Amino acid sequence: GEDVEQSLFLSVREGDSSVINCTYTDSSSTYLYWYKQEPGAGLQLLTYIFSNMDMKQDQRLTVLLNKKDKHLSLRIADTQTGDSAIYFCAETHSGGGADGLTFGKGTHLIIQP
Amino acid sequence: DAEITQSPRHKITETGRQVTLACHQTWNHNNMFWYRQDLGHGLRLIHYSYGVHDTNKGEVSDGYSVSRSNTEDLPLTLESAASSQTSVYFCASSGGSNEKLFFGSGTQLSVL
Repeated sequence: GEDVEQSLFLSVREGDSSVINCTYTDSSSTYLYWYKQEPGAGLQLLTYIFSNMDMKQDQRLTVLLNKKDKHLSLRIADTQTGDSAIYFCAETHSGGGADGLTFGKGTHLIIQP
Repeated sequence: DAEITQSPRHKITETGRQVTLACHQTWNHNNMFWYRQDLGHGLRLIHYSYGVHDTNKGEVSDGYSVSRSNTEDLPLTLESAASSQTSVYFCASSGGSNEKLFFGSGTQLSVL
């Protein structure tokens, strides 16, 4: 079955860039997502990318997709204390509304002052 | 504003009891999902529904059931609660293919 892998923790200094990495195994993945979960809350969609794209930028967020290596990354520029959260990579091969998503275990982003 | 709500936020029950977790969305979304979140496992899909009277099993459906009698609600029932079902449960909905998922705030369930 599909598998999505992420590192469990990432620690960065405030003001630096954070890069969260994700690998997946499903070669038929068509949509890849980044969700953010703050303590005690549900997941919120941060951004997503279609598999026919290799980069998407949205303000401080940059998503890079290497489809050949099945590698997805999320870069957060000028990391702030409010970015402290768990970040989930997710994929689906039929759009986010069908069959649910396959999630990674989440990367806990820790911000050092 | 449209939203998705889960209730209760916290629940403590005993093994063997039947428990139902509620999920209600006001977006008129066709697709609804239940996930559980556990340390070391991330989110795993329990059941999902594409519309009224439609239900489908996810990755970890054993011991759980859902019913979809209307568009707004997808209650999740634990037939006979087990300690292994202690978890945080998230409901989500979407309008259809290519639509992003909206998540509820979660239900923390403890089975003692």
